[in-house]
Amino acid sequence: DGGITQSPKYLFRKEGQNVTLSCEQNLNHDAMYWYRQDPGQGLRLIYYSQIVNDFQKGDIAEGYSVSREKKESFPLTVTSAQKNPTAFYLCASSTLTRGSRQPQHFGDGTRLSIL
Amino acid sequence: KNEVEQSPQNLTAQEGEFITINCSYSVGISALHWLQQHPGGGIVSLFMLSSGKKKHGRLIATINIQEKHSSLHITATHPRDSAVYICAVRANTGNQFYFGTGTSLTVIP
Repeated sequence: DGGITQSPKYLFRKEGQNVTLSCEQNLNHDAMYWYRQDPGQGLRLIYYSQIVNDFQKGDIAEGYSVSREKKESFPLTVTSAQKNPTAFYLCASSTLTRGSRQPQHFGDGTRLSIL
Repeated sequence: KNEVEQSPQNLTAQEGEFITINCSYSVGISALHWLQQHPGGGIVSLFMLSSGKKKHGRLIATINIQEKHSSLHITATHPRDSAVYICAVRANTGNQFYFGTGTSLTVIP
């Protein structure tokens, strides 16, 4: 079955450490997204990518970096510059067609905590 | 100001009750989605709407494009319906999605 795989499910980071969250999709979707979810808040967009080797900052990109070297993969690095990284991170993908009515597909998320 | 507003934020129902979750949005959309997030965190899509009404089992979703409003109804709620329900819209001017803050539903046996 096609879908999105995020790993790991739980991740712990030490102060000053960079960590990378994996996101892989086999849906042949052009667009991929990273969201952060905090209690009581809606999903907030960190980065998104519409094509390989190109990506755009979302609303809360500071302290994060991404790459899109392959269509299937969109890893997110939480850098030491992100001062409040404890959150639930969701990866999603969708078709790219403007005005498309297709939904986003979500991974199961990665919960990041600070040691 | 959020592009998508949901209410209520929290909802508790006795098993068997009928409940409604409301969603209002302020942007032009190509589609509206109702999502379900279980305690483990994964999100699944329940409905995609661009007009009218859809029904799937005990779940019914409606949308009024002119009023920029949608409702999700669950008839005869069951404890397994306990989850967070999120309203999301896909803007018609790009490929971005906007999300409500979610409604946490707890169904008591």
